[in-house]
Amino acid sequence: SAVISQKPSRDICQRGTSLTIQCQVDSQVTMMFWYRQQPGQSLTLIATANQGSEATYESGFVIDKFPISRPNLTFSTLTVSNMSPEDSSIYLCSVKAGGNQPQHFGDGTRLSIL
Amino acid sequence: DQQVKQNSPSLSVQEGRISILNCDYTNSMFDYFLWYKKYPAEGPTFLISISSIKDKNEDGRFTVFLNKSAKHLSLHIVPSQPGDSAVYFCAASANDYKLSFGAGTTVTVRA
Repeated sequence: SAVISQKPSRDICQRGTSLTIQCQVDSQVTMMFWYRQQPGQSLTLIATANQGSEATYESGFVIDKFPISRPNLTFSTLTVSNMSPEDSSIYLCSVKAGGNQPQHFGDGTRLSIL
Repeated sequence: DQQVKQNSPSLSVQEGRISILNCDYTNSMFDYFLWYKKYPAEGPTFLISISSIKDKNEDGRFTVFLNKSAKHLSLHIVPSQPGDSAVYFCAASANDYKLSFGAGTTVTVRA
């Protein structure tokens, strides 16, 4: 399966600031996704990162808060904007190759907002 | 609205015995089901999947069973090993590939 690298692996940020998380894959993939895992909860899909066009956001998530870029088939970024303590979560990138391949996940970015 | 439910938050099993994890879903459009294992400080790792056209899929010690009429699937681990201690997530998708996850079941394998 693809090797997925997420940076940073963790960060502690001040409220009101923004952080950009990077996801790099070692091979071209069809689809890339961003998920959030809040403390004690399951994974929730934020958006599908579309190559060369605007991301597709799930209900409850908006572009102004979580801008996403995907300039090519191996790289995507998620920005968490104007952070508040409620944004403290693990943010995970996942990728899917074509056909019946399953999604594979990076190790996540553990974000704490003070 | 939780479309995928894992009603058992934890499971403790003795080494060598069978672990059975259960998962229920409500969305009849789901046609692909997966199990992921997650260790602390790591991302979820894909374990096994099953398509809705099947009722069983086996891979080594792991077997997934699907009962479409009951909207229920289960994961069997036989025999359980200490390295199986982790959080297990059930996930499901329709033809749009977006995954809906259950809350997870923490498995502890006792020596």
